[in-house]
Amino acid sequence: NAGVTQTPKFQVLKTGQSMTLQCAQDMNHEYMSWYRQDPGMGLRLIHYSVGAGITDQGEVPNGYNVSRSTTEDFPLRLLSAAPSQTSVYFCASSKNTEAFFGQGTRLTVV
Amino acid sequence: GNSVTQMEGPVTLSEEAFLTINCTYTATGYPSLFWYVQYPGEGLQLLLKATKADDKGSNKGFEATYRKETTSFHLEKGSVQVSDSAVYFCALINQAGTALIFGKGTTLSVSS
Repeated sequence: NAGVTQTPKFQVLKTGQSMTLQCAQDMNHEYMSWYRQDPGMGLRLIHYSVGAGITDQGEVPNGYNVSRSTTEDFPLRLLSAAPSQTSVYFCASSKNTEAFFGQGTRLTVV
Repeated sequence: GNSVTQMEGPVTLSEEAFLTINCTYTATGYPSLFWYVQYPGEGLQLLLKATKADDKGSNKGFEATYRKETTSFHLEKGSVQVSDSAVYFCALINQAGTALIFGKGTTLSVSS
């Protein structure tokens, strides 16, 4: 049982580059979400989805796009990376109020 | 809006000491409350939860009671171990029930 799988685990980008962080879950959960974790800030919600085709913004959505074409996948796109987006990113899926997290992607933008 | 405030760390304890990490929340209604734990280099794991007032969540010797009157959900453990060293996050679920709102996290370091 894989749970929530995030790829890649580590990534270094140059300012202005774009990339997609992948997230997949095999638990058939309707709800999925993306968070970023920064020192002293806890986890802040970027975007979330309540089902295929439905997404909404969280607390810090600027600079990120998401889509949800299937129940399983919820990719996070950085359109033009900035140093302020250096962070650890976590994807989560949830059902009945319990959330399951991926192992995280550590992104550095130089 | 909804928010969670937890005590700032780091918290440094000796093995077998008593642990309390304070957490208070602001929310509309009575949201479910959670404690998550993050061990070094890993993602977050659910430690315990409570879904209504006066509920007590417990797991691995940790406990927390949902106190509506003080809007609190403090985490306690009677005797900590070195293996409990981690970052602990208090959280509540948002009104729509779709995503979690986290506190800033408290780092616990336990020495032998």
